[in-house]
Amino acid sequence: EVQLVESGGGLVQPGGSLRLSCAASGFTFSSYWMSWVRQAPGKGLEWVANIKQDGSEKYYVVSVKGRFTISRDNAKSSLYLQMDSLRAEDTAVYYCARVGVSAAIGELDHWGQGTLVTVSS
Amino acid sequence: QSVLTQPPSVSAAPGQKVTISCSGSSSNIGNNYVSWYQQLPGTAPKLLICDNNKRPSGIPDRFSGSKSGTSATLGITGLQTGDEADYYCGTWDSSLSAYVFGTGTKVTVL
Repeated sequence: EVQLVESGGGLVQPGGSLRLSCAASGFTFSSYWMSWVRQAPGKGLEWVANIKQDGSEKYYVVSVKGRFTISRDNAKSSLYLQMDSLRAEDTAVYYCARVGVSAAIGELDHWGQGTLVTVSS
Repeated sequence: QSVLTQPPSVSAAPGQKVTISCSGSSSNIGNNYVSWYQQLPGTAPKLLICDNNKRPSGIPDRFSGSKSGTSATLGITGLQTGDEADYYCGTWDSSLSAYVFGTGTKVTVL
């Protein structure tokens, strides 16, 4: 069974940093693109970033470029999101998701339960 | 602001059918596969439809998807109270090099 478990969320002040982690199990992690998706309170889904199987390609939504960094450790079957220069508008539940095909453009076929990030003073 | 537009809400009685539209452009829906996601209250999204019209294992055939040009549609037949949720379309946007979601549609069973 595919499982994705996020951790690392919490309360952080504006301008601060946070690192999210996603522990994957039940599939060959190194064979899949992976994504982060977020959802602000009461709002819709917003894709944040994608990373290729070997980490050689990464894509980001414009609003986080230069502030967030997606990375992975295939030996640990783990996905990460380093978030710097956080703003109030980054407050959201952050989901880790698996991309269901071998390219960046595929569907998000499995999701974690999410971790809440709150940016506030 | 999302590049994919959905109606904010749709509703119907139990047993009836609803359709949800998703309107985009040639850089997203027009040239890439569309997926649909269901988000039940307080839970993570779940994949309902991929590749425009394919149902992953375990998804009942009451859910269907279609695509024509730069628009896609999700259909739900035999509506049940358990179908009350938010539904999102999603696809890759080749111009943005980004995955994009629709604005979301809340389904209410009357």
